[in-house]
Amino acid sequence: EDQVTQSPEALRLQEGESSSLNCSYTVSGLRGLFWYRQDPGKGPEFLFTLYSAGEEKEKERLKATLTKKESFLHITAPKPEDSATYLCAVQATGGSYIPTFGRGTSLIVHP
Amino acid sequence: DGGITQSPKYLFRKEGQNVTLSCEQNLNHDAMYWYRQDPGQGLRLIYYSQIVNDFQKGDIAEGYSVSREKKESFPLTVTSAQKNPTAFYLCASREISGITGELFFGEGSRLTVL
Repeated sequence: EDQVTQSPEALRLQEGESSSLNCSYTVSGLRGLFWYRQDPGKGPEFLFTLYSAGEEKEKERLKATLTKKESFLHITAPKPEDSATYLCAVQATGGSYIPTFGRGTSLIVHP
Repeated sequence: DGGITQSPKYLFRKEGQNVTLSCEQNLNHDAMYWYRQDPGQGLRLIYYSQIVNDFQKGDIAEGYSVSREKKESFPLTVTSAQKNPTAFYLCASREISGITGELFFGEGSRLTVL
């Protein structure tokens, strides 16, 4: 059974204080790992897809990395507008197109 | 603009009533999904459909029903058999033919049982 564990559950940062969110996963074969951002009362918004260990992707202050067991979402010099819940999901190889989601990390960035 | 539209955004239901949540997409995606989100629980899959007139149960299908009569529409009915229906419901779609497979989500529907 595919499993995704995100840590920490909640993270409070001061503006400009860089940090990382973790997504550990167990899957028989990885087709892709996804990061989403979700604002309160809204649907998740896609950020990145990572396919293989060693891959990195960046978008503004966010950088996602992938190893064979986990992914990190690095946030550099965060701003209050980066406050949101960040969700990680994995897509296994095989016929199913059902991603498995983690429970998310709630990030609050204080000015 | 292309996207997914969910309605209503807020819905109140009395116990014993069935309610239907609408989900429409104009992205021409084959697959559509319904998720339920509760605080601290993450996203749990209710039903999904990969082709018109076909759908499969997800992890928490009991008390819910769906239909997929058109490619762009995937309504969810929350029946009176669902014991704890108060939650945030998310509809999503994706293209399944390509390598990338990110989900596109609607804005969600919040259902409250009075």
